[in-house]
Amino acid sequence: DIQMTQSPSTLSASVGDRVTITCRASQSISSCLAWYQQKPGKAPKLLIYKASSLQSGVPSRFSGSGSGAEFTLTISSLQPDDFATYHCQQCNSYPLTFGGGTKVEIK
Amino acid sequence: QVQLVQSGAEVKKPGASVKVSCKASGYTFTSYAMHWVRQAPGQRLEWMGWINVGNGNTIYSQKFQGRVTITRDTSASTAYMELSSLRSEDTAVYYCARPYNTWEPAFDIWGQGTMVTVSS
Repeated sequence: DIQMTQSPSTLSASVGDRVTITCRASQSISSCLAWYQQKPGKAPKLLIYKASSLQSGVPSRFSGSGSGAEFTLTISSLQPDDFATYHCQQCNSYPLTFGGGTKVEIK
Repeated sequence: QVQLVQSGAEVKKPGASVKVSCKASGYTFTSYAMHWVRQAPGQRLEWMGWINVGNGNTIYSQKFQGRVTITRDTSASTAYMELSSLRSEDTAVYYCARPYNTWEPAFDIWGQGTMVTVSS
């Protein structure tokens, strides 16, 4: 199975900050990586697919980059609605696997 | 609008089975696969398996092989996930999720989640 490691596990930031979250795969997954946002008690919401493609309706302050085994999610200017947990997921091979999540908290 | 609506919360005893439903609307049910993902309290999201809704073929995570069965009823636009021999570690929120395409499964539509509690 491909292991997905996210860092950091928790991040404290202020509104307006630039935030970067990293996701590393235990082997190359090409560009088959997705990022999700999840709020308490809610289902995950797709933000980015194919490592860098912005899902329809998602604000342009979210961006994804990377290929192979290292990926990043960047929020260019953190907004109040962005305080949530973010998950990465590889879609290159089965079983599909997720990172452990990064909780973005208010500083 | 496109949505997946799941059945309600369940409480089960160890050793029992649970069957969760996921009704699709707003799109052609047979044109997309359906996956199941769970999230235990404080744990990462965990993929369980998927069904090719068109032909009924399934692929399961090795972790759940032998305990999970994913089916669908195309006439009702509904997918099902049944998990047997439940244990306390199966306490989790179970989600159905539609991939935006079959070959690069990232999930653009999710059900609201079904809480399954396993307790004696």
